[in-house]
Amino acid sequence: GQQLNQSPQSMFIQEGEDVSMNCTSSSIFNTWLWYKQDPGEGPVLLIALYKAGELTSNGRLTAQFGITRKDSFLNISASIPSDVGIYFCAGSNAGNMLTFGGGTRLMVKP
Amino acid sequence: KAGVTQTPRYLIKTRGQQVTLSCSPISGHRSVSWYQQTPGQGLQFLFEYFSETQRNKGNFPGRFSGRQFSNSRSEMNVSTLELGDSALYLCASSLFPESTDTQYFGPGTRLTVL
Repeated sequence: GQQLNQSPQSMFIQEGEDVSMNCTSSSIFNTWLWYKQDPGEGPVLLIALYKAGELTSNGRLTAQFGITRKDSFLNISASIPSDVGIYFCAGSNAGNMLTFGGGTRLMVKP
Repeated sequence: KAGVTQTPRYLIKTRGQQVTLSCSPISGHRSVSWYQQTPGQGLQFLFEYFSETQRNKGNFPGRFSGRQFSNSRSEMNVSTLELGDSALYLCASSLFPESTDTQYFGPGTRLTVL
């Protein structure tokens, strides 16, 4: 089963809001990654982090690799409707052998 | 440049049968990984192949197997299907085993076991 605890499991967003999600692990990872999955598609890599303490941005997305190597967070600033989807964190110690979190489902507030 | 191709996209089988899924990586990519995605267990690593050799294997029973051909295309096989094998099976390819940031996922094969 999964080893990464990702929270929140789901959240509603309103356009323009900032969004935060995080991932914690009981064990150390050398690489942390964040993916987004849209319905009917495979996950798409958003950000890859390789060094403890590293803070990396990709447009409106910012992610950090925790100092302890056991956690990571992803922030999305000024959310837009196309940000809706499922976001996954993943950790790796052996190349492409990834351990995934349970996902955070982002939905638009009605 | 074409993405990762998985065939078939949808499959319905009955318990006890066996199934073979196919994955064609992005041109030039030599590493192929397989993942199982279910609502209960999430995304779980099955195995990774590079140069026709299995490099890593996840915690799945021996009913799950795979192989990679000289052109880097990969297949995975599940024998004696169980209801719990119903899942989305995702294939991902990358240039090399350690190039995680060049890993791209295909759309998956949705397997339903009745």
